[in-house]
Amino acid sequence: GQNIDQPTEMTATEGAIVQINCTYQTSGFNGLFWYQQHAGEAPTFLSYNVLDGLEEKGRFSSFLSRSKGYSYLLLKELQMKDSASYLCAVRLHGSGNTGKLIFGQGTTLQVKP
Amino acid sequence: DTEVTQTPKHLVMGMTNKKSLKCEQHMGHRAMYWYKQKAKKPPELMFVYSYEKLSINESVPSRFSPECPNSSLLNLHLHALQPEDSALYLCASSQDRTPPCEAFFGQGTRLTVV
Repeated sequence: GQNIDQPTEMTATEGAIVQINCTYQTSGFNGLFWYQQHAGEAPTFLSYNVLDGLEEKGRFSSFLSRSKGYSYLLLKELQMKDSASYLCAVRLHGSGNTGKLIFGQGTTLQVKP
Repeated sequence: DTEVTQTPKHLVMGMTNKKSLKCEQHMGHRAMYWYKQKAKKPPELMFVYSYEKLSINESVPSRFSPECPNSSLLNLHLHALQPEDSALYLCASSQDRTPPCEAFFGQGTRLTVV
């Protein structure tokens, strides 16, 4: 089966840095995605890693280690609007650039003043 | 235009009703998806269409019937649903050429089966 694990909840302070971890064991791997989802809204794409290393995009960075089945999302200079659910998702191999995207349970981040 | 538009936003239906959910995108994406999301749970893949052909069906019950009339439209026909089918139904699309080929999600249809 497919297994993607993330912490259920995290709390951080405005202006701080927070790291959300994700570990995965899947039958194949063709990229890892991070999505942000505010309550009652659609998920929005944040980042993508397919090779090992760090990808930086403004206040958000994502890291991948394929040998360890591990990724993290780093959020810097936290703002109140960053309070949301953060979903780690793995695209399975063999489905080209589309196909199966399997989501973890999501991490609910609460940013406090 | 980077939007995926879903209609209706909310739907209440009885167990004997037939209804359809609609999804539209004009980004030229050739892959379109239906996901189901229960409260406080992640999205679960239901169907994938690639170039208007069904490429993945995640063993979804036949009371859910997808249709892709053209490259911009995706429908989900509903018939004889159960109360446990109540959920947020998300449509998504992606291009399939240059990675990451991330999925763009619509705002969803919140379905309640009574």
